[in-house]
Amino acid sequence: DAKTTQPNSMESNEEEPVHLPCNHSTISGTDYIHWYRQLPSQGPEYVIHGLTSNVNNRMASLAIAEDRKSSTLILHRATLRDAAVYYCILRDSANFGNEKLTFGTGTRLTIIP
Amino acid sequence: EAGVVQSPRYKIIEKKQPVAFWCNPISGHNTLYWYLQNLGQGPELLIRYENEEAVDDSQLPKDRFSAERLKGVDSTLKIQPAELGDSAVYLCASSLGLRNEQFFGPGTRLTVL
Repeated sequence: DAKTTQPNSMESNEEEPVHLPCNHSTISGTDYIHWYRQLPSQGPEYVIHGLTSNVNNRMASLAIAEDRKSSTLILHRATLRDAAVYYCILRDSANFGNEKLTFGTGTRLTIIP
Repeated sequence: EAGVVQSPRYKIIEKKQPVAFWCNPISGHNTLYWYLQNLGQGPELLIRYENEEAVDDSQLPKDRFSAERLKGVDSTLKIQPAELGDSAVYLCASSLGLRNEQFFGPGTRLTVL
């Protein structure tokens, strides 16, 4: 399985944009890039996913590099409620019937008031 | 809409005792997952059900762990006997099919003394 590399931790000021990087240099053409986050004492929750094009939803934006070897999750205006561990995960759509979410250790995001 | 429900939220037992965790997925979700999360790590898949069939249990330690999903709705994960190293958070998730986003419950925090 292709792996992802994320910084262990990041800090950001409240009400400012946050850019969370993810490197996936061994990504294959059929790998989707998924982001989940886990708030304290809760289970993970889905944030966003994409394949090649940049994606936007109500929670965040996902910017994917042209060579797809890296991506960035963008929180446009961080709030204290965005403090969480953010996981970048590759999901192989060609491996039908065995598409697992393989979580790494993620990036712990701290929001400074 | 109710989310994934898990009980109990916390469980403390002595080693060698049995323990069981219960999960009620989101209504209509045919795919159910059990994950194990150790402190400071991302969740790891233990078992995946498609309706009542366990289709991926390769990571389930079958000597002491068992799971069932009768009637393809609720599921129970059991450990017998528990060991000290089983102390962790046990997460249940469900999805509408394998390729759709997973919705996680709050987890059960198990402490084995």
